[in-house]
Amino acid sequence: DTGVSQDPRHKITKRGQNVTFRCDPISEHNRLYWYRQTLGQGPEFLTYFQNEAQLEKSRLLSDRFSAERPKGSFSTLEIQRTEQGDSAMYLCASSRVNEQFFGPGTRLTVL
Amino acid sequence: AQTVTQSQPEMSVQEAETVTLSCTYDTSESNYYLFWYKQPPSRQMILVIRQEAYKQQNATENRFSVNFQKAAKSFSLKISDSQLGDTAMYFCALLHPGGSNYQLIWGAGTKLIIKP
Repeated sequence: DTGVSQDPRHKITKRGQNVTFRCDPISEHNRLYWYRQTLGQGPEFLTYFQNEAQLEKSRLLSDRFSAERPKGSFSTLEIQRTEQGDSAMYLCASSRVNEQFFGPGTRLTVL
Repeated sequence: AQTVTQSQPEMSVQEAETVTLSCTYDTSESNYYLFWYKQPPSRQMILVIRQEAYKQQNATENRFSVNFQKAAKSFSLKISDSQLGDTAMYFCALLHPGGSNYQLIWGAGTKLIIKP
């Protein structure tokens, strides 16, 4: 059982650039979640997929954010026209039932 | 609204001591789950223990146990025989299964430092 993986682990970008993160869930987990976490805070929910369907999207997610899970397996999170306020750790989690298992996260720094 | 409150921003204890982290929550649902997650410095979030609301028996995982007081909406985590590797942020989280939203509701976290 290989755990949730995320790529890249670190991303440094300049303000205004687009970035894309990838998450590979635990195989056979049909639910996938994206969270954002800033230093010293708990995670904030961004969006949730059940299989390929995006069932919930937080109001925190502006139009610059988009997520996909095209075949119900891996997922991508894209941020367009990045802003310094987007600097955070982006966490992905997956679950089969109620327990969510987290990946190592992608740390984004926007200069 | 569902909320989770962790009132202890930081705690520190000596190695081998027992420590209890507090968590209170608010929900109007009858079916829910509670979790404690551990996040070591610069490392990923790890599930420590879970509790189903319908179960009266407190969950236990090795040195980790919970005190689940449903009427008081309290869910504390006890760590026995604390070890240096227990140093981490600990988050309490609430989940309402079912429907279209399975998001976790998180507390602000407690930073636990185990001193040698």
